[in-house]
Amino acid sequence: NAGVTQTPKFQVLKTGQSMTLQCAQDMNHNSMYWYRQDPGMGLRLIYYSASEGTTDKGEVPNGYNVSRLNKREFSLRLESAAPSQTSVYFCASSERGNTIYFGEGSWLTVV
Amino acid sequence: GDSVTQMEGPVTLSEEAFLTINCTYTATGYPSLFWYVQYPGEGLQLLLKATKADDKGSNKGFEATYRKETTSFHLEKGSVQVSDSAVYFCALSDLGTDKLIFGTGTRLQVFP
Repeated sequence: NAGVTQTPKFQVLKTGQSMTLQCAQDMNHNSMYWYRQDPGMGLRLIYYSASEGTTDKGEVPNGYNVSRLNKREFSLRLESAAPSQTSVYFCASSERGNTIYFGEGSWLTVV
Repeated sequence: GDSVTQMEGPVTLSEEAFLTINCTYTATGYPSLFWYVQYPGEGLQLLLKATKADDKGSNKGFEATYRKETTSFHLEKGSVQVSDSAVYFCALSDLGTDKLIFGTGTRLQVFP
């Protein structure tokens, strides 16, 4: 039972470098999400995708891009990483009106 | 816009103590309400949910009742265990998109 799988689990980047966080779900869900978690801030939505081929900005989209490659996969890209993007990133998926399932998180440090 | 406010932590309790973590919300309409739990180094897991007023969600000894009149969804457990030590997040779902809006989380520490 894989559920939501995201990679990598840990990454250290230098300021200005780019990277992509990968996410895949095997539950045939239409909706997918990227959240970031920061101390004292809870989880904040970066981008979400209601269905294959559609993406929308969340609360904190600046500095990020996303791609809904197919129904299973939803990637998050940092084009030019900044120290303010040091965070824990969670991918999630759901079917409309039902529980949202989360991946185990990706710890990103930008130095 | 919609928002969730939950009590700040950490909440420190002895084993077998009674737990309450307060959560209130602001929303247009009647969203679904959730409690998620995050154990150290892990992702979030759904603990319980309620989809309409007066519904009670329950799981693993935890309970929360959807109170429309007080816009609250407080989490309770009658007797906590050390294994309940985690961060607890209250959340509501946006009715149109299923996006979750989270509170800031409350860390619970239970000591033997």
